[in-house]
Amino acid sequence: SQQGEEDPQALSIQEGENATMNCSYKTSINNLQWYRQNSGRGLVHLILIRSNEREKHSGRLRVTLDTSKKSSSLLITASRAADTASYFCATAGLIQGAQKLVFGQGTRLTINP
Amino acid sequence: DAGITQSPRHKVTETGTPVTLRCHQTENHRYMYWYRQDPGHGLRLIHYSYGVKDTDKGEVSDGYSVSRSKTEDFLLTLESATSSQTSVYFCAISDLAGVYTQYFGPGTRLTVL
Repeated sequence: SQQGEEDPQALSIQEGENATMNCSYKTSINNLQWYRQNSGRGLVHLILIRSNEREKHSGRLRVTLDTSKKSSSLLITASRAADTASYFCATAGLIQGAQKLVFGQGTRLTINP
Repeated sequence: DAGITQSPRHKVTETGTPVTLRCHQTENHRYMYWYRQDPGHGLRLIHYSYGVKDTDKGEVSDGYSVSRSKTEDFLLTLESATSSQTSVYFCAISDLAGVYTQYFGPGTRLTVL
């Protein structure tokens, strides 16, 4: 399975601290994406990193990709209470002849005031 | 939610009854997807569509069928609902093949008694 595996499954930190989530996958990919899901809502795309990129930034988000280790990390700096959500990595690649996204099980992030 | 609506938002039904969930988009995106989300499994792809009347199976398609007669509508049917199909169902759209960003609807919570 190409499914990403995320670590940790749950993370609780104080507001203002940095949060790091990791994603590992098993097969070659076209790109890797991170999504956020607030409780009771749909997923929202955060950032996409292509297989030939090593690092990407978007506001307080920093994503790294190491294709040799088949892993990615998402760093959220200066966390806020509004960052409380579940975060999913999704790997994009060729599966059964079609390009598809495969989602990990997610990391539940709680930011304590 | 990027011009995507799902109906109904909540449904309770009994084992053995047919159920149809509707996804409607106003973005004119070519690709549409149905996922289910369950604790411990993340999001799993049920079926997807790459154009009007063009559909294909995903990872967990048994017990489900889909139809797409118009660009804007993608229907998911549970032919004879079972308790194992109790889940939250998400529709997603993409303007390019699945390697690119997907936009998600708000979800439908289905309970099969």
